[in-house]
Amino acid sequence: QVQLVQSGAEVKKPGASVKVSCKASGYTFTTYDISWVRQATGQGLEWMGWMNPDSTNTGYAQKFQGRVTLTWDTSISTAYMELTSLTSEDTAVYYCARFPRHQLARHDYWGQGSLVTVSS
Amino acid sequence: QSALTQPPSASGSPGQSVTISCTGTSSDVGGYNHVSWYQQHPGKAPKLIIYEVTKRPSGVPDRFSGSKSGNTASLTVSGLQAEDEADYYCSSYTSSNTLIFGGGTKLTVL
Repeated sequence: QVQLVQSGAEVKKPGASVKVSCKASGYTFTTYDISWVRQATGQGLEWMGWMNPDSTNTGYAQKFQGRVTLTWDTSISTAYMELTSLTSEDTAVYYCARFPRHQLARHDYWGQGSLVTVSS
Repeated sequence: QSALTQPPSASGSPGQSVTISCTGTSSDVGGYNHVSWYQQHPGKAPKLIIYEVTKRPSGVPDRFSGSKSGNTASLTVSGLQAEDEADYYCSSYTSSNTLIFGGGTKLTVL
């Protein structure tokens, strides 16, 4: 069965960086793309960017350009999202989700979410 | 880019039907058939219930249906059940090769 298992909760200070991992299993990692989506407490979903693990292709929401980097390691079927220059506004649950290539709106499996808390 | 526009709340009694709208522009909802809907229960990850405007993933009841007219997509839940009470989000591919979500609608089953 398809699973996306994310790393645990993190507490960071303002100005720091955080790196969240997303380990895929149950399918061939390079045959689907992955998005990262975040959700602040009581707020809606916010798309951050996508990556194609079968190439070097990535894409980012304009809001996060220059502050987020998506990487991956195909040998261990794991995707990573690094967010820098954290502020309290970045406190949220971060999700990874897979989608079929060229179907960016069709996220059929999601990770369980990783809570990132930014606090001094 | 601003979020797609959804009503903050919707409600209906068990057995009734409810429709949730999702309004965008010709650069997103109106320009592509890549519109999806997600259901999210409290503390859980979102679940895909509609993709490509009208298609249902395997296992999603046919009580859930989607449609689109111009720049507005809609999700209809027929035969409301208690377990349908959740937050619902629309999303659309955009002309910038990005994804945009709606602000979410809280569906209450009375």
